[in-house]
Amino acid sequence: GENVEQHPSTLSVQEGDSAVIKCTYSDSASNYFPWYKQELGKRPQLIIDIRSNVGEKKDQRIAVTLNKTAKHFSLHITETQPEDSAVYFCAASFGGATNKLIFGTGTLLAVQP
Amino acid sequence: ETGVTQTPRHLVMGMTNKKSLKCEQHLGHNAMYWYKQSAKKPLELMFVYSLEERVENNSVPSRFSPECPNSSHLFLHLHTLQPEDSALYLCASSQEYDNEQFFGPGTRLTVL
Repeated sequence: GENVEQHPSTLSVQEGDSAVIKCTYSDSASNYFPWYKQELGKRPQLIIDIRSNVGEKKDQRIAVTLNKTAKHFSLHITETQPEDSAVYFCAASFGGATNKLIFGTGTLLAVQP
Repeated sequence: ETGVTQTPRHLVMGMTNKKSLKCEQHLGHNAMYWYKQSAKKPLELMFVYSLEERVENNSVPSRFSPECPNSSHLFLHLHTLQPEDSALYLCASSQEYDNEQFFGPGTRLTVL
């Protein structure tokens, strides 16, 4: 069935360094790839998304890249800050409907001051 | 209140109880979702309602029964649950073809 793998499961970086989280997906028909941030005890919130007709998208310190041939996409956070500490989830649409998402297992990012 | 709200925020129930979770969205969306979030597991999509019709049921056990009386409200009726059903249940909403899903704060469910 459809599957999204996410790595690493935990990531610790020093403040100011970059962080990269990678995901691979199995459904070649997937065409929408959002990233959510979930702080401890809070709800997941969308931070950036990308569609299959675009290879890269950037929003200030956050960027996402997509390689449709290899079926993988990545989240890049530059100049990390302590408030970036959270669990990050990738997701991919499936079943031909862009509003049905399958999520990765999450990455716990810790930014050390 | 704005956004997506869920009640109750915490629920403890026995295996023989019947309870309901409620979700309300104030965003004018026409699609609503139930997700289950367990420790060390990915968010699992349980049900999708679009335009108040259920369009997706990912083989969820029948002890979970959803209800969507209108585009703003979504319920999850629970009966004879198992301890392994203990989890955070998240509701979300979106415009059907505008993909960003907005999540509620969740209901932390504990089944004894």
